[in-house]
Amino acid sequence: SQQGEEDPQALSIQEGENATMNCSYKTSINNLQWYRQNSGRGLVHLILIRSNEREKHSGRLRVTLDTSKKSSSLLITASRAADTASYFCATEGNNDMRFGAGTRLTVKP
Amino acid sequence: ETGVTQTPRHLVMGMTNKKSLKCEQHLGHNAMYWYKQSAKKPLELMFVYNFKEQTENNSVPSRFSPECPNSSHLFLHLHTLQPEDSALYLCASSQEFDTDTQYFGPGTRLTVL
Repeated sequence: SQQGEEDPQALSIQEGENATMNCSYKTSINNLQWYRQNSGRGLVHLILIRSNEREKHSGRLRVTLDTSKKSSSLLITASRAADTASYFCATEGNNDMRFGAGTRLTVKP
Repeated sequence: ETGVTQTPRHLVMGMTNKKSLKCEQHLGHNAMYWYKQSAKKPLELMFVYNFKEQTENNSVPSRFSPECPNSSHLFLHLHTLQPEDSALYLCASSQEFDTDTQYFGPGTRLTVL
């Protein structure tokens, strides 16, 4: 069954604005990862956060994890048109990995 | 470049054909994965190989047959597929299974007529 569920399903913002995407999951996890997929291309790994971590940063990306609420958020600051893509969260448990359906982000120039 | 390559990038096949997808990783990883991404569904994990041994078959129909001859190569053999098998097939690898980041290839876009 589907594990990570992202919301919103689609997000449209202006260049320069911040974009926040959320991910919720149902069972215990070892880590949670965020991926980007540009149209027609493979997934690109963005950031991994372990279950004992609460926040991680990478460039313009900020990821938080709240294991008590079983949720994570991905914040992209100062967005650019090139950030237009689908963003997936993936939860990794014992011997499995589950992806959500993704959030489609459109950044308008 | 992620270090994970997949060929072919696009494949069109009939339901009676037999074809194979190839994945190669140049990262020295020990675990390799096949995923399926259909148009309106979340990414689905199909098979996992850890040190060349299959550790997971996620209820995949037998018309999909994986092969891992060594830790750098992974194949997905296809035969008598159905139109609903049309999807993007992604290969990934990680240093170790279960705890490490997975690196994805560009995928093979498969169309079954």
